[in-house]
Amino acid sequence: EVQLVESGGGLVQPGGSLKVSCAASGFNFSGSAMHWIRQAPGKGLEWVGHIRSKPNNYATAYAASLKGRFTISRDDSKSTTFLQMKSLKTEDTAVYYCRWSKGGLDYWGQGTLVTVSS
Amino acid sequence: SYELTQPPSVSVSPGQTARITCSGDALPKNYAYWYQQKSGQAPVLVIYEDSRRPSGIPERFSGSSSGTMATLTISGAQVEDEGDYYCYSTDSSGNHVFGTGTTVTVL
Repeated sequence: EVQLVESGGGLVQPGGSLKVSCAASGFNFSGSAMHWIRQAPGKGLEWVGHIRSKPNNYATAYAASLKGRFTISRDDSKSTTFLQMKSLKTEDTAVYYCRWSKGGLDYWGQGTLVTVSS
Repeated sequence: SYELTQPPSVSVSPGQTARITCSGDALPKNYAYWYQQKSGQAPVLVIYEDSRRPSGIPERFSGSSSGTMATLTISGAQVEDEGDYYCYSTDSSGNHVFGTGTTVTVL
């Protein structure tokens, strides 16, 4: 059974940093690209970025609006992907999801809430 | 930046057909995907690669794409189909993007 479990969300002050994690199981994590998506309260879905697998040099890509502040990484030995966020703004308040997909298979975690507020 | 445009809302009577459009300049060269999201839940994929239906998704959900527009059709909509629907695709540079979202009401 595929499972994605995000963790690490919480309250952070504007300008601060936070690192959230997504632990995966039930599929070939090391051979898979992993995506991060976020959803601000009452708003739509926003693709944050992705990280590809080792054969693809762990290449990353990010939404243009976030580039430079967010960094995606992975630890294949722990089947975990990470989203490092810095210089956080109030508008970064959102539920952050990780996602794995392969053709018609598509799985999301339950999300972790990040609140940026003073 | 690349945008996928959807109508904000669609209303349909039970048993009737709902159509949700998604407009984007790169759709002629890139697949469209469709997600359904119910309140407080993670999105669920209902159509992938323009018109393919994942296992477990009812046959009343179908997708098509022509030119710069992709369409999700719900044939014989049911009350449980209410929710928000998002298209998803990539642009010519490989950047991923979600559509603006459409709220479907069945009443």
